[in-house]
Amino acid sequence: DSGVTQTPKHLITATGQRVTLRCSPRSGDLSVYWYQQSLDQGLQFLIQYYNGEERAKGNILERFSAQQFPDLHSELNLSSLELGDSALYFCASSVGGGAYEQFFGPGTRLTVL
Amino acid sequence: ILNVEQSPQSLHVQEGDSTNFTCSFPSSNFYALHWYRWETAKSPEALFVMTLNGDEKKKGRISATLNTKEGYSYLYIKGSQPEDSATYLCAPNAGNNRKLIWGLGTSLAVNP
Repeated sequence: DSGVTQTPKHLITATGQRVTLRCSPRSGDLSVYWYQQSLDQGLQFLIQYYNGEERAKGNILERFSAQQFPDLHSELNLSSLELGDSALYFCASSVGGGAYEQFFGPGTRLTVL
Repeated sequence: ILNVEQSPQSLHVQEGDSTNFTCSFPSSNFYALHWYRWETAKSPEALFVMTLNGDEKKKGRISATLNTKEGYSYLYIKGSQPEDSATYLCAPNAGNNRKLIWGLGTSLAVNP
């Protein structure tokens, strides 16, 4: 158990809908990262927050947005969902920036029908 | 850092064999290099974070070396066990506020 929690574990929804994925980092970690893993693809970095502020951005679609709240939990919002958005979404947390190991949550499996 | 290459893509070894993988990355603007282990149906798990040229880190039977001048890192597993079967990912980054660039990984299968 990494100490990072993600909810829900599974999510099934229809195209065009909007969903919110939630992540609670390890106690004391200030950075939160969001990743997408699609079928047969590696980890795709989406976005990083540090202490409430956006720190780095990856290949995140405009239909996706995220935020980190004062209590340091983070939410990833996915809207106008398409079939291709079906993936495993991981959240990770770390104490700080790029020289600190990341601790991954169990992931949220999103299925768009 | 634009491009990370890991080799081999996959590897099958017998229990007890020692093995190693390579992670290659552009040597300019280096800040840190991460190694992660990712078992099927689980989440990636950090093995090492390395920052200094010539650094060598060890965790049990697994060790890693780093050459930032030429842009590569080696991961070694001594006496592979079936539980070592996983995908091993490396990810360098170019700065504290920069994203990690993830390789596609080396998939290791250890046959008992």
